[in-house]
Amino acid sequence: EAQVTQNPRYLITVTGKKLTVTCSQNMNHEYMSWYRQDPGLGLRQIYYSMNVEVTDKGDVPEGYKVSRKEKRNFPLILESPSPNQTSLYFCASSVTPRAKQYFGPGTRLTVT
Amino acid sequence: QKEVEQNSGPLSVPEGAIASLNCTYSDRGSQSFFWYRQYSGKSPELIMFIYSNGDKEDGRFTAQLNKASQYVSLLIRDSQPSDSATYLCAVTSGGSNYKLTFGKGTLLTVNP
Repeated sequence: EAQVTQNPRYLITVTGKKLTVTCSQNMNHEYMSWYRQDPGLGLRQIYYSMNVEVTDKGDVPEGYKVSRKEKRNFPLILESPSPNQTSLYFCASSVTPRAKQYFGPGTRLTVT
Repeated sequence: QKEVEQNSGPLSVPEGAIASLNCTYSDRGSQSFFWYRQYSGKSPELIMFIYSNGDKEDGRFTAQLNKASQYVSLLIRDSQPSDSATYLCAVTSGGSNYKLTFGKGTLLTVNP
């Protein structure tokens, strides 16, 4: 089954404790991206990747890092999480940015 | 930062009516335009995409694009209660159109 998986689905952590949210897709897609969704602010792109080793900033990259060492994986790293990073995070993949985005199930992160 | 604006709603229509959702965007270089539907607690899913000026129809859904006015709309004919969801407009942007910017979404309620 074609899908994007994210782990963990739910995470509660404390300020400053490094964490990684994994994202994996099985569709051989070139384009992958991370979004955060907040009430009243909508879905905002954090980082995107056009291919292995090629990443670029979206609209809200501050406080986040990404890496694309393999085509199928695109982890999101929060080196020092803060409460303002409490949000619902979605990973997505597609053949190109002009094509249908396949979204993962979301990761709800709470930073206390 | 390029912007995508949508009426936040909520938009309420009776069952069987036409629902009209609107979106404007600021980047004149945008090339690809999408409508996603998001049910509460779920991931966004693609409804329509459009690249060229004019109308594009798919079943009960019609997307309309006017690049001169920087305007894209979605019409839902014969609205059903199952269409009740948040509708997200998304636009590619940036010099190479690799970024994807979403509007904040319009909440649609279809009343039986």
